[in-house]
Amino acid sequence: GAVVSQHPSRVICKSGTSVKIECRSLDFQATTMFWYRQFPKKSLMLMATSNEGSKATYEQGVEKDKFLINHASLTLSTLTVTSAHPEDSSFYICSAVQGAPDNSPLHFGNGTRLTVT
Amino acid sequence: GDSVTQMEGPVTLSEEAFLTINCTYTATGYPSLFWYVQYPGEGLQLLLKATKADDKGSNKGFEATYRKETTSFHLEKGSVQVSDSAVYFCALGNQFYFGTGTSLTVIP
Repeated sequence: GAVVSQHPSRVICKSGTSVKIECRSLDFQATTMFWYRQFPKKSLMLMATSNEGSKATYEQGVEKDKFLINHASLTLSTLTVTSAHPEDSSFYICSAVQGAPDNSPLHFGNGTRLTVT
Repeated sequence: GDSVTQMEGPVTLSEEAFLTINCTYTATGYPSLFWYVQYPGEGLQLLLKATKADDKGSNKGFEATYRKETTSFHLEKGSVQVSDSAVYFCALGNQFYFGTGTSLTVIP
């Protein structure tokens, strides 16, 4: 089946530094990739939608300059948390879809636990 | 706009009990509907889906029927097992918003 690899699984960084999270579709070409933030009560918040070769579409309230998304190829999207602060500590999850987004299931990475000290 | 409303948890059941997790939606058009599951320590994965009205999605003993008249996609299982303990998410296919998730714990 379709596999999405997300790396790293855990990262600890100091306040003010930047962290890059990678999301790769290993055995399929992902037309669209999504980035979510999962909160302690398990709700998933969609942060942005990215399509290969174009700028990401950010959800309302998500800072574009803070959460930089690059979708350089059909198998790789990256999320960079710039100038991280403790409130950015969270669980970030990527997902990818192959084919028409409205009818195709999402394939999720295992998530990245970010802790900012 | 389109949205999903999901039954809040947590839900605790004894093994072999009947499970229902409610999900209702608001949508323009007729998007596909999905249930995803997140087992402890794992990533989300697709549980089942239905692509049009009256379709029934099923997997691992779970079922959900796409009901246009009640705009619902409730998840059911006749006899839950301890291994079903997880967080369950209902989702619309034309948007990639998820509900709050419903945490299920099954006790022996």
